Amino acid sequence: AIRMTQSPSSFSASTGDRVTITCRASQGISSYLAWYQQKPGKAPKLLIYAASTLQSGVPSRFSGSGSGTDFTLTISCLQSEDFATYYCQQYYSYPTFGGGTKVEIK
Amino acid sequence: EVQLVESGGGLVKPGGSLRLSCAASGFTFSSYSMNWVRQAPGKGLEWVSSISSSSSYIYYADSVKGRFTISRDNAKNSLYLQMNSLRAEDTAVYYCARGSQKGWDWGQGTLVTVSS
Repeated sequence: AIRMTQSPSSFSASTGDRVTITCRASQGISSYLAWYQQKPGKAPKLLIYAASTLQSGVPSRFSGSGSGTDFTLTISCLQSEDFATYYCQQYYSYPTFGGGTKVEIK
Repeated sequence: EVQLVESGGGLVKPGGSLRLSCAASGFTFSSYSMNWVRQAPGKGLEWVSSISSSSSYIYYADSVKGRFTISRDNAKNSLYLQMNSLRAEDTAVYYCARGSQKGWDWGQGTLVTVSS
């Protein structure tokens, strides 16, 4: 199975900060990568698919980049509603998820 | 609007069985692969099983292979997960998710608790 490693696992940030989360695949997955946001008690919400395509309705402050094995999710200007846990997912083969990155308020 | 509504969760004893259902609406169910994903309390997301649109291809995570069975009824727009020989480590919220190359859509989840 393809292993997805996210970093960091958690961090604190302030509203207005630019934040970057990384995801590394144990083998090449082309651009078959999605990013999800999850808030406590809620289902994951799709933010980005195909590594860099923004899902309809998702604010443009979210962006994704990368291909092959290394990927990033960037939030350009953190808003209060962005404090949540973020997961990457590869769908190149049997789907697997990263361990999650919890973004907390500083 | 895509809607996925899971049901069938609950408390079950170790070794017991449970059948989860997922009712789909708002899209052509028979055109999409479907998935089950679980999340243990306080933990991350774990893929459980996938089924292709016509049920021709079925895949399981090693952790559930031989114990869980995924199926679908395209006439009823429904997805199922039959879970047998349940263990404490199967305790989780189980989500059904519509699969696509444009990312997944998720239901709200149903909680399965395996405890004596």
